[in-house]
Amino acid sequence: DGGITQSPKYLFRKEGQNVTLSCEQNLNHDAMYWYRQDPGQGLRLIYYSQIVNDFQKGDIAEGYSVSREKKESFPLTVTSAQKNPTAFYLCASSIGGTGGYGYTFGSGTRLTVV
Amino acid sequence: GNSVTQMEGPVTLSEEAFLTINCTYTATGYPSLFWYVQYPGEGLQLLLKATKADDKGSNKGFEATYRKETTSFHLEKGSVQVSDSAVYFCALRAILTGGGNKLTFGTGTQLKVEL
Repeated sequence: DGGITQSPKYLFRKEGQNVTLSCEQNLNHDAMYWYRQDPGQGLRLIYYSQIVNDFQKGDIAEGYSVSREKKESFPLTVTSAQKNPTAFYLCASSIGGTGGYGYTFGSGTRLTVV
Repeated sequence: GNSVTQMEGPVTLSEEAFLTINCTYTATGYPSLFWYVQYPGEGLQLLLKATKADDKGSNKGFEATYRKETTSFHLEKGSVQVSDSAVYFCALRAILTGGGNKLTFGTGTQLKVEL
């Protein structure tokens, strides 16, 4: 079955470390997205990519970086510059373009700074 | 800019009660509207959608109608079950400059259904 796989499900980071969250999809979707979820704040867009080798900053990109070398993969790195990284991170994908298509979400990675 | 406002939760109902979760939006143009559901510890699942004014989205007994005149997309269900307990997110999909699209979410409304 097609879907999005995020790994790991739980991740612990020490202060000052960079960590990378994996996101892989086999839906043949062009567009991929990273959202951050905090209690009471809904989901906020970190980065998005509409095609391979291209990506744009979302609303809260500071302290994060991404790459899109393959259509199927969109890893997110949380750098030491991100001052409050503890959150639930969700990856999503969709058919690109301007149609009224929904997003397919992964099951998320919960990152905790220890 | 675009924004979505949802009623605050938690909403607590008895099984078989009627459910309404209010959602209003602010957007330029004609966005597509969505409801997503999130069960504990999981990602979001698309529940229903509507792409133009007066469209009604429906799925699993849930319904929502795209009301452009009131900029609303309220979620309703006639008889809720314990298994409907989850967090519900309203979202709009807007077109980005240069093509592509972006989902903007409300803050979510937690629903608790009790026996």
